[in-house]
Amino acid sequence: SQQGEEDPQALSIQEGENATMNCSYKTSINNLQWYRQNSGRGLVHLILIRSNEREKHSGRLRVTLDTSKKSSSLLITASRAADTASYFCATGQTGANSKLTFGKGITLSVRP
Amino acid sequence: DTAVSQTPKYLVTQMGNDKSIKCEQNLGHDTMYWYKQDSKKFLKIMFSYNNKELIINETVPNRFSPKSPDKAHLNLHINSLELGDSAVYFCASSQDGRGPADTQYFGPGTRLTVL
Repeated sequence: SQQGEEDPQALSIQEGENATMNCSYKTSINNLQWYRQNSGRGLVHLILIRSNEREKHSGRLRVTLDTSKKSSSLLITASRAADTASYFCATGQTGANSKLTFGKGITLSVRP
Repeated sequence: DTAVSQTPKYLVTQMGNDKSIKCEQNLGHDTMYWYKQDSKKFLKIMFSYNNKELIINETVPNRFSPKSPDKAHLNLHINSLELGDSAVYFCASSQDGRGPADTQYFGPGTRLTVL
């Protein structure tokens, strides 16, 4: 069954604005990851946050994790047209041989 | 240098045919995966191999058979192709894969179209 559910499903913003994307999940996790997929390309790993972490930064990206609410958010600051892509959250469960379970993705359009 | 590569990039074939997709990673990772992404971009894992050993086998029709000749390669063979097999197939790899899910590195994808 699907674990991560992102919202909104689609987001359109102006260049320079911030983009916030949310992800909710259902079961206990070891970590939560965000990936980006440009049109016609493979997924690229952006950031991983572990269940004992609350916030993580990487360049213009800020990820938060609230395990009590089973939710995460990805903030992209000062967006650029090149940020236009689909963004996926993926949850990694605890335990051996754990797989990543991906959400449906959010389509972000950044207008120049 | 391409970290995870797949061939072919596009595959168009008739229903009932058998086809293979190849994947290679040069990252020295121990685990490789196959995912299927449907037309709505939903990404679902199919298989994973750790050091040539099958460790994840989701509910996939047995027409799909993965083969890992060594830990750098994971190929996907599909028998008796059906219209519903049309999708983009992604190969991925990760450093370990035996514990909690690690960062995964994806190939560029193979777009399979079954006519």
